[in-house]
Amino acid sequence: QVQLQESGPGLVQPSQTLSLTCTVSGGSINSGDYYWNWVRQPPGKGLEWIGFLYDSGNSYYNPSLNGRVTISVDTSKTQFSLNLSSVTAADTAVYYCARLDRLRWGENYYSAMDVWGQGTTVTVSS
Amino acid sequence: DIVMTQSPSSLSASVGDRVTITCRASQSINNYLNWYQLSPGKAPKLLIYAASNLHSGVPSRFSGSGSGTDFTLTIGSLQPEDFATYYCQQSYSTLITFGQGTRLDIK
Repeated sequence: QVQLQESGPGLVQPSQTLSLTCTVSGGSINSGDYYWNWVRQPPGKGLEWIGFLYDSGNSYYNPSLNGRVTISVDTSKTQFSLNLSSVTAADTAVYYCARLDRLRWGENYYSAMDVWGQGTTVTVSS
Repeated sequence: DIVMTQSPSSLSASVGDRVTITCRASQSINNYLNWYQLSPGKAPKLLIYAASNLHSGVPSRFSGSGSGTDFTLTIGSLQPEDFATYYCQQSYSTLITFGQGTRLDIK
C-alpha cells in the first residue's frame, strides 16, 4: 500500500525559500499513471492546491503563487520536492503531498487525490 | 478559475443523524467533482470521486450526487469518526480548486 510522508523545516525565515520533501513508500514514483501534488492549508482557512509533477519532469503550478513554486522529483530516492521562494507570513500553513490518480468509472476517467501524507506544519517567521 | 462554494460552512449534528453538505461550482464541471474528509492529525481521505462514486474502503453511509454546477455529499447515519471537515474539489480544470470546507461538529 502506497504511503506518503512529508518532511522539512518547521520554521522558515521571511524572504527565504521553503523546501519540503515527500517520500513515497510501497510504490513507484516513476509510473506515468500518477501526478504528484502539493496542497496547503493556512491556519483557519481551506485547502489550496499548489501544483503537480507528472511524467517524471513536467509540472503545472497554481498561477496565484506568481512563479515562486518549483516541484521536482528524485526517482532514485522515490521522493518529490517542493520549493517555494520569497516566502512571507502568508505562506504559513500545513503542507500536504498527495498522489493524483485517474480513477475509472464506466468509459471515463476521473482525476482524484487518492493517497495523502499526514501533512507538515511550516511557519514563516523571523 | 473555477470557484467552488460550499454550504454550510459549519454544521452541528448528533451521532445517528443524516446530514447533507452542498457544493456549487461557478461554471459547469459535468461530474468532475471529488469529496474529501480532513480529520486533525490524519491524512486527508478521498471519499467520493466523479460526484457519486464511493472510493474503495469508504463506508456506504457516504453518498454523493449532482452534475453540472450543484452537488451534495450526504452522510446517512453519523458515526463518531465522521466529525471532521469536508471539502469538495473540482477536477474539470487543470487548475484544481477546492471549496472552503464544511466543519461538522458534535451537537
